[in-house]
Amino acid sequence: EVQLVQSGPEMKKPGESLIISCQGFGYTFSRYWIAWVRQKPGKGLEWMGIIYPGDSDTRYNPSFRGQVTISAGTSINTAYLRWSSLKASDTAIYYCARAEWEVVHPYYFDHWGQGTLVTVSS
Amino acid sequence: DIVMTQSPEYLAVSLGERATIKCRSSQNVLYSSNNYDYLAWYQQKPGQSPKLLIYWASTRESGVPERFSGSGSGTDFTLTISSLQAEDVAVYFCHQYYSFPFTFGPGTTVDIK
Repeated sequence: EVQLVQSGPEMKKPGESLIISCQGFGYTFSRYWIAWVRQKPGKGLEWMGIIYPGDSDTRYNPSFRGQVTISAGTSINTAYLRWSSLKASDTAIYYCARAEWEVVHPYYFDHWGQGTLVTVSS
Repeated sequence: DIVMTQSPEYLAVSLGERATIKCRSSQNVLYSSNNYDYLAWYQQKPGQSPKLLIYWASTRESGVPERFSGSGSGTDFTLTISSLQAEDVAVYFCHQYYSFPFTFGPGTTVDIK
């Protein structure tokens, strides 16, 4: 059974750094794109970016480029989302999702993690 | 960026009745070389992660009840729940994966009348 298991909730202060993770089980992790999606409280879904763990090919939403860093480690089947300096506006639930794909283009998201709540407050 | 819009924002339907949600993309998401529409639908129940319902605009994901169907092509798409059940109360999002950045519609809340 395919599963994406995300790290637990985080409470941080503005200006602090943070890394959250997403570990894949039940499939060959290196062969599927992993996306990160933000959902602010009571709001919709925002695609932040996506990585192909097999070769670390990464695409960012321009709205998030420079604000976060997406990476992956294939030896431990884990993708990461990193902030170097959090803002209060980063408060949200962050989901990872596996993308089906063909050739080099990712498609729809067929499995999702349970979400990681990040709260940034002074 | 391809902008996705959905209508209505909120929909209340009686149990057993049909629910219809519209999604429109600001650009064509039909890839001419394979004739596939790069459009998916997700369901998000309160407190849960989104769940894939439909991909390629009309292909039902394995395990999704037959009462869920997707239609449309190009820029206009529809998600239909043929006979609303209590467990279908959720927010429904469309999603284009035709080009980066991928984008989602704002969501449609479906509730019981």
